[in-house]
Formats: sequence, C-alpha cells, structure tokens
Amino acid sequence: QKEVEQDPGPLSVPEGAIVSLNCTYSNSAFQYFMWYRQYSRKGPELLMYTYSSGNKEDGRFTAQVDKSSKYISLFIRDSQPSDSATYLCAMSLNAGGTSYGKLTFGQGTILTVHP
Amino acid sequence: GAVVSQHPSWVICKSGTSVKIECRSLDFQATTMFWYRQFPKQSLMLMATSNEGSKATYEQGVEKDKFLINHASLTLSTLTVTSAHPEDSSFYICSATGFPGEKLFFGSGTQLSVL
Repeated sequence: QKEVEQDPGPLSVPEGAIVSLNCTYSNSAFQYFMWYRQYSRKGPELLMYTYSSGNKEDGRFTAQVDKSSKYISLFIRDSQPSDSATYLCAMSLNAGGTSYGKLTFGQGTILTVHP
Repeated sequence: GAVVSQHPSWVICKSGTSVKIECRSLDFQATTMFWYRQFPKQSLMLMATSNEGSKATYEQGVEKDKFLINHASLTLSTLTVTSAHPEDSSFYICSATGFPGEKLFFGSGTQLSVL
C-alpha cells in the first residue's frame, strides 16, 4: 500500500464548476499537508498548506484536513480553464527543519477545465 | 521573491555518459536541498537530501554511487547521473529550503532522456 493515495483522474469539468480533489494517507505521523499545482514538465507550485485538521481558505481554493480519517481535500470554486493542470497532494512529518522538505507526494490528479 | 534556478531544463545523452544537473538558490541561503525524480504519470519520489557541506542522505533504493550529489555552497547543489542508462530517463526536480524564511522552493525540473 502506498503511503499516499490519490486518484490520478483524469478529471474533466466545465468552467465554473466546483472541483474536489482528494488524498488518503496511511501514516498517522504526517503533520504537515500541502497541495501543489504542476504544469507539464515544470516544477510544482505550492497552492495551500496546513498542519491541523479543519479548513483553510485562500481565494477560490479551500484545503480540508481530517486527521482522524487520514483524508485531505482541495476544493476549487468557480474553476477556470487556467486551473487545468496536475494537482499533487504532499505531506511531511514535521513543519520545520530538514523534515520540512522531505515530502511524500500523491500520484497527482490531472484536471482539465473546459470553457 | 526567492526562487530556485535549475539547469538544464532538458538534456539528451547517450547511454554510458554522465550528466550534471545544477540547482541554484537565488536570494536565499539554501541550507538543505532535496532531489526528486518523477517518472511519467507517477508521483515525485524523493531521491536524496543534502545539507550544505555534508554528504547527502539517500532514500532507500537510490544508488548513491550512480547519483552523485554535491552541495558545496549555500547556493548551489548538483546532481550527477553517472553512466546513464535508458532506465534513468526521467524528470528530475530539486527543491531547497533555508534562510531567511525557511520556506520550500522547487526548481523547474530537468527532463533527462538517455538514448
């Protein structure tokens, strides 16, 4: 079993739709949770991060963490064609020091938002 | 803002040759750098962690004699793929954290194709 499971999709939605992306994980020691956006053959770009259960909102993006269920989600409201990319969840054991950068990634979900 | 510059963005080489990939931090001191590998439609997998002035720490299953990492300064880390073979063809991405801020930044990646 992979430490982090993410449905690879692909996911295709119309412009304006609400998108829900999810990851489950098996290691309860993960403390720090992130969502990255990656365009083809580019480095990942950090979208959201959180280190506690609950919701965190930033513009059209909402990150949700449920540590009891080992489940995280990213919601995108009013999706735009420019949101089309691969979305990766990532986790680390600690929020600081060297461990901060040792990320375990999900497989990534390919999202296409069509006009 | 702080960025990580990675070069080259793509490289094609013959089997048996060595390839060097550079990762430079701009506007911040990268005390720790991380090297990831991403095969097509798969997640980023951490290969190794390097701290400035120290030997790199490799993840299980990564051959340290094949993937040579040097982090001799606070702004530069290099990954050398020695005696490259077609199975080493992959997308390699570096990331860095340091001061000020201790944020994590990713490079833009290097697509390596070994013929």
